[in-house]
Amino acid sequence: DTGVSQNPRHKITKRGQNVTFRCDPISEHNRLYWYRQTLGQGPEFLTYFQNEAQLEKSRLLSDRFSAERPKGSFSTLEIQRTEQGDSAMYLCASEKRQGDTGELFFGEGSRLTVL
Amino acid sequence: AQKITQTQPGMFVQEKEAVTLDCTYDTSDPSYGLFWYKQPSSGEMIFLIYQGSYDQQNATEGRYSLNFQKARKSANLVISASQLGDSAMYFCAMREELTGGGNKLTFGTGTQLKVEL
Repeated sequence: DTGVSQNPRHKITKRGQNVTFRCDPISEHNRLYWYRQTLGQGPEFLTYFQNEAQLEKSRLLSDRFSAERPKGSFSTLEIQRTEQGDSAMYLCASEKRQGDTGELFFGEGSRLTVL
Repeated sequence: AQKITQTQPGMFVQEKEAVTLDCTYDTSDPSYGLFWYKQPSSGEMIFLIYQGSYDQQNATEGRYSLNFQKARKSANLVISASQLGDSAMYFCAMREELTGGGNKLTFGTGTQLKVEL
């Protein structure tokens, strides 16, 4: 296993620009999650995929945010018209469907700074 | 709604000593799971230990043990024989089942642990 891979690791953008983050989960994991972590806080759930189906979305996920997992493998998280409040670490996690405990395997995150 | 409370923003411990990180939780679900994750400065969340609400015994994983007190709704993490590499942020989290069987984790605000020589 190569682990969960996220890129880019860091992104600095100007307010109003669009950004896209990519997550490659562990290969046999069919569940994929996106979380957002702001400074001094724990991660907060954004959305969840089982294979290619997006099954849950948090109210934190405004209409400027869209996530896809087109072939049930990698996923992208796009933020349109970024705002300074979007500055955060975006974490991706994956999970085996038949996992005993619901342990999530996290990537190292993509840190977004909106100027 | 589920809630996790970690009241210790920061903790110091001397190398080779044991340390307890506090976590209390609130849920109305009869079945739940509790996790501890470690987050070093690199940003990755590393799974440490899991406790199911129906587990009779406290979970242990190497130097990590979870002191589960159901009536008090607490799930404290005990790290024995602390090492310099244990310096990191530690998060307590609770699992909530999602549509299709997925697992949403609700995290606390974390405790920053510093291990000193």
